Amino acid sequence: KAGVTQTPRYLIKTRGQQVTLSCSPISGHRSVSWYQQTPGQGLQFLFEYFSETQRNKGNFPGRFSGRQFSNSRSEMNVSTLELGDSALYLCASSLGQGRKDTQYFGPGTRLTVL
Amino acid sequence: GQQLNQSPQSMFIQEGEDVSMNCTSSSIFNTWLWYKQEPGEGPVLLIALYKAGELTSNGRLTAQFGITRKDSFLNISASIPSDVGIYFCAGQLRAGGTSYGKLTFGQGTILTVHP
Repeated sequence: KAGVTQTPRYLIKTRGQQVTLSCSPISGHRSVSWYQQTPGQGLQFLFEYFSETQRNKGNFPGRFSGRQFSNSRSEMNVSTLELGDSALYLCASSLGQGRKDTQYFGPGTRLTVL
Repeated sequence: GQQLNQSPQSMFIQEGEDVSMNCTSSSIFNTWLWYKQEPGEGPVLLIALYKAGELTSNGRLTAQFGITRKDSFLNISASIPSDVGIYFCAGQLRAGGTSYGKLTFGQGTILTVHP
């Protein structure tokens, strides 16, 4: 089974621009969660999508948004980029239900904001 | 945002030594997970724990879900150079649909193994 894939792997943007990141989950997984990883704050939960609906959301500003498609692929968008948005953005997929539901991570997208 | 208290922050050990790290939280979780992350990659799941008191092994790795549901530990026996990386604990609370997806992470333990 193929793992979680994320594209692109690296991105360089300038302040004020917007960016869209993509995540393809493991086949059969209906939940996709997004995380931001920075040296200062560590791994922080952004939001989770299940069956095209946002089911949970972390404490990030509205500039961070996402969506999920009918094939469970997900995109994350950051508008009006700030320098502090530079981070590794990770997505994780899981079945999304059941007591032993477990998240598997992709390799991440490294975003640099100049 | 909330983070778990993970210790130690870093460890420098000799090949063949055993390693122990732990995670504590002020709130309960009903799932504890341990991940390993290497440079340029995403976290890789090592062990998942779903029940208080559960003790689970994966090769040389052993992890336990604390009875209070507020802590967990990971042991690595007979370390080898490829154990190098950052180890993260993560807790998840299922208390209805709104808790799904959200993992709360520790700050990580950086493990260095000298041959």
